Amino acid sequence: GAGVSQTPSNKVTEKGKYVELRCDPISGHTALYWYRQSLGQGPEFLIYFQGTGAADDSGLPNDRFFAVRPEGSVSTLKIQRTERGDSAVYLCASSFTSGGLNEQFFGPGTRLTVL
Amino acid sequence: DAKTTQPNSMESNEEEPVHLPCNHSTISGTDYIHWYRQLPSQGPEYVIHGLTSNVNNRMASLAIAEDRKSSTLILHRATLRDAAVYYCIRGQGAQKLVFGQGTRLTINP
Repeated sequence: GAGVSQTPSNKVTEKGKYVELRCDPISGHTALYWYRQSLGQGPEFLIYFQGTGAADDSGLPNDRFFAVRPEGSVSTLKIQRTERGDSAVYLCASSFTSGGLNEQFFGPGTRLTVL
Repeated sequence: DAKTTQPNSMESNEEEPVHLPCNHSTISGTDYIHWYRQLPSQGPEYVIHGLTSNVNNRMASLAIAEDRKSSTLILHRATLRDAAVYYCIRGQGAQKLVFGQGTRLTINP
């Protein structure tokens, strides 16, 4: 079946602009996660949703970052007033549920470059 | 800090076994050990997880020390496709995964 998809695959923007990154999870997965990965580092947790609600947003670095999942499926990560330090690969993952030991399935990521 | 300790890099030859170590000396009694790997230009993918007993699946085996302070991921017969960064993660489930820097595995033909 289809895996987790993310669009766009690459995004180049200018400092100060607003960007939206989209994630389509695996159908039927109720839990959705966002991570970001800087060059040479492991992924860093940002936020996760169980259904429509953000169950843990402790990884969001500041209030310029916001994520939504209005219908419990597709999620959008929104970054306002982008800064050069926001450049990274943004990864989305989904799992059947957030409880138990359900493995997370990752998408290919969106590479964000802020000039 | 919930991160584990892994060597930065390892190298092996094709068709030979690979043993990837991980130290998690402060692991709690309810923490599982999860392994994910990340192939070049891809998102991470699940490999295996375990609690106390050794575990096997089609991808790998996981050997967990009796005191649970360390574990070893075993690839029985490495192929070129196994070249990736391998992450050892401790945690209680599929909530946020806390990744370290992982071990970059190089496979020589």
